[in-house]
Amino acid sequence: DGGITQSPKYLFRKEGQNVTLSCEQNLNHDAMYWYRQDPGQGLRLIYYSQIVNDFQKGDIAEGYSVSREKKESFPLTVTSAQKNPTAFYLCASSITRRGPEHPNQPQHFGDGTRLSIL
Amino acid sequence: GQQLNQSPQSMFIQEGEDVSMNCTSSSIFNTWLWYKQDPGEGPVLLIALYKAGELTSNGRLTAQFGITRKDSFLNISASIPSDVGIYFCAGQLSTSGGYNKLIFGAGTRLAVHP
Repeated sequence: DGGITQSPKYLFRKEGQNVTLSCEQNLNHDAMYWYRQDPGQGLRLIYYSQIVNDFQKGDIAEGYSVSREKKESFPLTVTSAQKNPTAFYLCASSITRRGPEHPNQPQHFGDGTRLSIL
Repeated sequence: GQQLNQSPQSMFIQEGEDVSMNCTSSSIFNTWLWYKQDPGEGPVLLIALYKAGELTSNGRLTAQFGITRKDSFLNISASIPSDVGIYFCAGQLSTSGGYNKLIFGAGTRLAVHP
């Protein structure tokens, strides 16, 4: 089945440690996204990528890094510079808008990774 | 920046009742999306609205894209226990670089009492 796979489901980080969250999709989507979700809040955009080897900062990129070496994969690294990393992290993907005659395609989400501090 | 005001924050209803929730913004969006999130899982797309004034149904769910393009509502008729979860609205707009940016509301937490 086509979909978005995030791993691991749960992750623990020690002080000063970098951790990497995996996101893989087999939907042949061009665009991929990373969001952070805190309790009682909506999703906030960390990074996005519209095409391989290109990515852009979202609204809360500080303390995070990404890469997009393959169309299917968009890993997120939570660095030690991120002082409040405890959150639920969601990866999404979508078809890139082809032009004004095509409707904007909605984003579809993986099942998330919950990151906690040890 | 752009913000969405989603209300109510939470609802506790009896099974069989109808539910209504809405989102408003000072910004204009070209697409409105409604997602449902179960605990520990990612949001699942319920309804996508692409045109101002559009009214779309998906089973017991009905959503409308406001004429001003600044608001949307979602109705759930005859609620059942599995409707429990958090419902998010999201407004989508296109940036100059062709990127579709999503702005999320804070969510409506729905509890259904059997």
